[in-house]
Amino acid sequence: DAKTTQPTSMDCAEGRAANLPCNHSTISGNEYVYWYRQIHSQGPQYIIHGLKNNETNEMASLIITEDRKSSTLILPHATLRDTAVYYCIVRVRANAGKSTFGDGTTLTVKP
Amino acid sequence: GAVVSQHPSWVICKSGTSVKIECRSLDFQATTMFWYRQFPKQSLMLMATSNEGSKATYEQGVEKDKFLINHASLTLSTLTVTSAHPEDSSFYICSARDQGRGTQETQYFGPGTRLLVL
Repeated sequence: DAKTTQPTSMDCAEGRAANLPCNHSTISGNEYVYWYRQIHSQGPQYIIHGLKNNETNEMASLIITEDRKSSTLILPHATLRDTAVYYCIVRVRANAGKSTFGDGTTLTVKP
Repeated sequence: GAVVSQHPSWVICKSGTSVKIECRSLDFQATTMFWYRQFPKQSLMLMATSNEGSKATYEQGVEKDKFLINHASLTLSTLTVTSAHPEDSSFYICSARDQGRGTQETQYFGPGTRLLVL
């Protein structure tokens, strides 16, 4: 699986958009970008994934650059409950489950 | 989405005893389950891959005789920490792979089991 780089921590004001970046410059053509989050003392929660097109679901949007070397997870209206560690993972879909978790970004949403 | 449960959610045991943790897929069948371990302020580390009806595959550095994994059915995998010691105290998380969901994300995580060995 390709290595990813994320900022250690970020703050966001409640109600504002949270933009979490991820660099994956060594991504292969068949590797997807996955985002998970882990709220304190809970198991990781799936957020979204994509290959090359931008994706949106009820939780977030995923913007992948044209060269696929980086991506941004967008939480459009952050709430206090979005405070968590966010993990960006790059892997081949067939490896679903065998995820390599980096250190992630600790997002703190402040009132 | 699919649900994965773990039992117990937390356990305290004495050093030298064995502890069994269960991971269940509640509304789907999982031929493959994964066990992770997470120490305080660290990320998740994959310990092993549990395959229904066959032996588990362990990651480098994980002792298979200490962390016994059994995946006897399509909805249940168990992790037994044998002769637990304080350094085994950690947050153990399982995930299950639902191969029947087509293009959707197929990995679902359990809520985790916190183990404290005294």
